[in-house]
This record gives sequence, C-alpha cells and structure tokens, in this order.
Amino acid sequence: KAGVTQTPRYLIKTRGQQVTLSCSPISGHRSVSWYQQTPGQGLQFLFEYFSETQRNKGNFPGRFSGRQFSNSRSEMNVSTLELGDSALYLCASSLISGSEETQYFGPGTRLLVL
Amino acid sequence: GENVEQHPSTLSVQEGDSAVIKCTYSDSASNYFPWYKQELGKRPQLIIDIRSNVGEKKDQRIAVTLNKTAKHFSLHITETQPEDSAVYFCAARTYNQGGKLIFGQGTELSVKP
Repeated sequence: KAGVTQTPRYLIKTRGQQVTLSCSPISGHRSVSWYQQTPGQGLQFLFEYFSETQRNKGNFPGRFSGRQFSNSRSEMNVSTLELGDSALYLCASSLISGSEETQYFGPGTRLLVL
Repeated sequence: GENVEQHPSTLSVQEGDSAVIKCTYSDSASNYFPWYKQELGKRPQLIIDIRSNVGEKKDQRIAVTLNKTAKHFSLHITETQPEDSAVYFCAARTYNQGGKLIFGQGTELSVKP
C-alpha cells in the first residue's frame, strides 16, 4: 500500500497570503489528523477529520482551517499568514478515529513565510 | 487537557550501550502511548506503541514500559547502533479524544561509534 502523501513538499509565501496544503491518506484510512512541527513548540495537534467531519481541534486560531473530502483526502488552509506560521505541517492517517488507532505520518509540507 | 513531558532532551551513548527515554503524562484517562522516531528531514515513524491494558511490550531491541499509577512510560533501546541516532517522540492519547495525539518535546539521541 502506498503511504501517506502530502503536496506540495515545500512552499514559500509572504505575510498576509493564504496557503492550502493537501494530504492523501493510506488507502482505506478514513481519519486524517494534522500537526504543526516547529523547533520551539515541537509537534502540536491542529485538527482531525473523520468521514468529512471535524472530530477534534487543537488550540490554534481560526486562521487555520481544514476539510475532508468523500475520498478521505484532506486539505488544510492557513489564511493571513504570519511569520510564526513557518513550520513543517504533517498529516497522519489512521483507519478510524479511535483512541487506540495507529497513526501513520506523511512526509510533511515545509512552509516558509517571509 | 493532557500534557506530556519528556526527558532527557538530549542523550549521547556509546554504540552497544542502552538508552532510556522517559515520559510522564497528566491525564489518567489516556490509554494509548506511541513512540515515534524522526530522522533528520524525514517523517516521524512509529517504532512501538503500548495500550493501557499492557504493562510492557518488546520488539527486538526496543521495549516500552507503562506505569499507569505513576502516569509514566519509558522507551528502552538496547545494544544501540549508530543508525538509532534520531529524535524520539513520545505521545499520549485520551480515550475520548479520537485521533488527537499529545507529544512530548522530543529526545535527540546520538549513538557514537
């Protein structure tokens, strides 16, 4: 089975712009979670989508949003970019949205905001 | 909400020695504890996980122990090799929080030949 894929792998944006990142889960997986990874804050949970519905949300401002499509692919959007949004954005998929489900990570999208 | 603390932040060992990384969690309702290894520039890879109904799990040179009473869990790597050098993250998930993983701050392990 193909693993989790993310596009694009690298992005450079300027402050005030918006960006959309895409995540394709492992075939058959219906849950997609998003995380932000920075040197200072580590790995932080953004949100989780399951069956096109947001199941959980982390402590990020409303500029961060996401959605999931019927084929389980997910997108996250960041509007009005700030310098502090520069990070590696990782998505992870699992079969279902269960507390004991194993999550598999994608390679990430590295976002640089200038 | 859940909080996970991980120690040490850096660990240097000689090849062949053992390495131990410890994590504590705050939410007694947490029931799933995975460990991920992240090499430079790569994605986090699951190396082992443990569920709250198990006290210890082993996979070749890697083992994880869980103490629910004390709310801490540890990763043990024996006979370390240079390719074990990476950043290791522990995480915890609460039973009613679906896929939400709370991560520790990471431990940078360096195995010197």
